[in-house]
Amino acid sequence: QVQLQESGPGLVKPSETLSLTCTVSGGSISSGSNYWSWVRQPAGKGLEWIGRIFTSGSTNFNPSLKSRVTIFIDASQNQISLKLASVTAADTAVYYCAREVERWSGSLNQYYYYMNVWGKGTTVAVSS
Amino acid sequence: QSGLTQPPSASGTPGQRVTISCSGSTSNIGSNYVHWYQQLPGTAPKLLIYRNNQRPSGVPDRFSGSKSDTSASLAISGLRSEDEADYYCAAWDDSLSGHWVFGGGTKVTVL
Repeated sequence: QVQLQESGPGLVKPSETLSLTCTVSGGSISSGSNYWSWVRQPAGKGLEWIGRIFTSGSTNFNPSLKSRVTIFIDASQNQISLKLASVTAADTAVYYCAREVERWSGSLNQYYYYMNVWGKGTTVAVSS
Repeated sequence: QSGLTQPPSASGTPGQRVTISCSGSTSNIGSNYVHWYQQLPGTAPKLLIYRNNQRPSGVPDRFSGSKSDTSASLAISGLRSEDEADYYCAAWDDSLSGHWVFGGGTKVTVL
């Protein structure tokens, strides 16, 4: 079954760019119709969605983070990457990647998605 | 943008039924499905309920979900000690080009 593993620097300096990678194993990023999402969680707080990318490359972002976020796919490496620019201490969190599966809803007459596989998360601290 | 609203905490004794509410708006819960995630201490979230009331394989039928208009609920019947966790609701929001919104999370304590 598909497994996700986040990786990247555990410490980033303020004003710099946070870069994380999510490596997918047990399946190809390019197969199927999936979104790949990034979600973060500051210590002791709730989940905050950052953004997502479809296998075709189309993206959606959290409106409050959109100006600082880039997400892209490296199909050759079976990886999804996240870049968050101009970080501050408020960006300190555990960062998760998650796969969204696609399902058809006859009642809504549209596709719908939900996150059914999550990585274990990677902790990022922003500090000088 | 606003997220979904959940009570911060809920509790019950073993065997009891606990219900968690999740309130949203017409652009999210009112228009799309609600999904629920369970996060055990120190672990990643896990899908618990999808499409309002569907359980993935392996999730006990003690867990059930429902939705009405712009609100949803998660019920845990026959509460067990291993159910002590944080629970989050989530829904797609159609506003602002579309984005996921999560509830703030509900900590369930088994007394």
